[in-house]
Amino acid sequence: LAKTTQPISMDSYEGQEVNITCSHNNIATNDYITWYQQFPSQGPRFIIQGYKTKVTNEVASLFIPADRKSSTLSLPRVSLSDTAVYYCLVGGSQGNLIFGKGTKLSVKP
Amino acid sequence: SQTIHQWPATLVQPVGSPLSLECTVEGTSNPNLYWYRQAAGRGLQLLFYSVGIGQISSEVPQNLSASRPQDRQFILSSKKLLLSDSGFYLCAWNRGSGVQETQYFGPGTRLLVL
Repeated sequence: LAKTTQPISMDSYEGQEVNITCSHNNIATNDYITWYQQFPSQGPRFIIQGYKTKVTNEVASLFIPADRKSSTLSLPRVSLSDTAVYYCLVGGSQGNLIFGKGTKLSVKP
Repeated sequence: SQTIHQWPATLVQPVGSPLSLECTVEGTSNPNLYWYRQAAGRGLQLLFYSVGIGQISSEVPQNLSASRPQDRQFILSSKKLLLSDSGFYLCAWNRGSGVQETQYFGPGTRLLVL
């Protein structure tokens, strides 16, 4: 399973766009890239998933370059409620994903 | 719709005592099931996963064990708890459809071993 590297923490202010980049240099051909969000004392919650190029949903966008060795989660106009830990994962068909330490995003007023 | 339940929600146990945490999924059949542990301020550590009844894969050998006696029931056990077993235990499920599927997590059990 591919290992991921992402910043331990990030700070932002309300209304700003936040971009969290994840490195996954040894991603396999059939691996998807998935991002989860976790609030304290709750289980992680799916945000977005992609394989290549760009994916957008009502919550976020995911940018994946052609070599797929990295990905960037983009959160538009964050609010205080977006303060959470964000995990980047890559994995294959069995879904036994490896969660790293994630990126702790702190949004300030 | 599918739902996932875990109990108990919180648990305080003395060192050396046994443990049994239960997870059940409703609204789906033959799910993949997972047990994770999260220590305070840490990421999630995959402990066990199961692709079917009686099929358990262990990711981290330790004093914990898992069993899947029924299709939608996943149990995490220990014969003798250690202080280091304290943490937030999460059960998750997804479909074993052959492509990467989103994992859906339960509410978790917070375990404190004293």
